[in-house]
Amino acid sequence: EVQLVESGGGLVQPGTSLRLSCAASGFTFDVYAMHWVRQAPGKGLEWVSGISWNSGSIGYADSVKGRFTISRDNAKNSLYLQMNSLRAEDTAFYYCAKEKLGVPGTFDIWGQGTMVTVSS
Amino acid sequence: DIQMTQSPSTLSASVGDRVTITCRASQSISGWLAWYQQKPGKAPKLLIYKASSLESGVPSRFSGSGSGTEFTLTISSVQPDDFATYYCQQYNSYSQTFGQGTKVEIK
Repeated sequence: EVQLVESGGGLVQPGTSLRLSCAASGFTFDVYAMHWVRQAPGKGLEWVSGISWNSGSIGYADSVKGRFTISRDNAKNSLYLQMNSLRAEDTAFYYCAKEKLGVPGTFDIWGQGTMVTVSS
Repeated sequence: DIQMTQSPSTLSASVGDRVTITCRASQSISGWLAWYQQKPGKAPKLLIYKASSLESGVPSRFSGSGSGTEFTLTISSVQPDDFATYYCQQYNSYSQTFGQGTKVEIK
């Protein structure tokens, strides 16, 4: 079964850091680009960051550029999101998503999400 | 950044109705347009990619069309399982943006 499982969310104070992880299974992880998408409570979807299969191409939304770092470990079938200098507006469900092969920027498999709450 | 505007924001429909949702881009996106369905407490689900290609396993009552800056998602005969929020999403130069969402409610 193709599956993505996020972990690492929680309640943190503004200005602190958090690292999210996404464990992939059921597909050849090192073939696919991967992404993080977030959704604030009751709000719409926002693309956060994406990384190509070999980490050679990386992109970030302007809202997180300079604060968040995406990475992957193909040997461990894992995707990561290092989040620094967290702000209240970063509070959201964070989804890990697999890019559909040959269709850039289109996400065919999603994890269940992990909640990040930034509050003092 | 390319902005995506969906209309309407909310839509009330009865089972069996034909439903159309529109998504407009602030500039041409050359067909890299996807549609997702999201139910409360669940992750989004891919329905349509490249504007009009139906994702595997998605019922044929869903269809997408459009090009350039205007795109539509149509549900030919809405079923009880289709009441959800729908998002369009564009891809351009390794950046992607979503529309604000359209909630399809039961009339």
